Amino acid sequence: KAGVTQTPRYLIKTRGQQVTLSCSPISGHRSVSWYQQTPGQGLQFLFEYFSETQRNKGNFPGRFSGRQFSNSRSEMNVSTLELGDSALYLCASSWGQATYGYTFGSGTRLTVV
Amino acid sequence: TQLLEQSPQFLSIQEGENLTVYCNSSSVFSSLQWYRQEPGEGPVLLVTVVTGGEVKKLKRLTFQFGDARKDSSLHITAAQPGDTGLYLCAGAFNGRGATNKLIFGTGTLLAVQP
Repeated sequence: KAGVTQTPRYLIKTRGQQVTLSCSPISGHRSVSWYQQTPGQGLQFLFEYFSETQRNKGNFPGRFSGRQFSNSRSEMNVSTLELGDSALYLCASSWGQATYGYTFGSGTRLTVV
Repeated sequence: TQLLEQSPQFLSIQEGENLTVYCNSSSVFSSLQWYRQEPGEGPVLLVTVVTGGEVKKLKRLTFQFGDARKDSSLHITAAQPGDTGLYLCAGAFNGRGATNKLIFGTGTLLAVQP
C-alpha cells in the first residue's frame, strides 16, 4: 500500500518569499501532523489536522499555517520566509490517535537563502 | 513544558557490542514510541509500548516502558552496522481532541563501526 507522499522533496527559496508544501497521507488515515526538524532543535511539532479541522497547534509564529482537504491531503504554508526556516519538514499520518504511532513521509528539505 | 530527554546524545561503538538508550520525562504518556531515522528520510516506527512496565522484543532490540509511564529504554544486543541511525523516542498524550499529540525526544545518534 502507498505510504505518505510529500512533495516536493527539495526546495530552495529566497528570504521574504512564501512556500507551500504538500502531503498525501496513507489511504484511510484522517489525521495529518506536521513537524519541523533542524539539527539544533530536533523534531518540533507544528500542527495536526483531523477531518479538515486543525486540532492541535505547536509554538510557531503565525507565518506557519496549514489546511486539510476533504480527501485528507494536507498542505502547509510558510509566508515571509526567514533563513531560520531552513529545515526538513515532515508530514505524518495516522488513523486519528497519536497513541498508536505515526507513519512519516520522506520530508521536504527547504533551504532559504 | 513537555520535554523528553534522551541519553546519550551520541554513541559510537564496535560491531558486536551491546548498548542502551534512555528516554526520560516528568510527563505521563498514553504510549511511548521508538523510531529510527536515516539521513534524508522520515522516522520509521519501530515499536509502541502502552502499558507501564511493558517489555517488547524485536529481534536484537528490547524496549521497556517505565512503571509510571514516564520513561523508556531501548537495548540493542550485538549491534550491527545496519543499526546505525538516529533513534528517537516519542511520547503520546491522550488521543482525544486538542490533547492528541506526539512529542519527540532529543534523539540519539548511533554509529556502529564494522
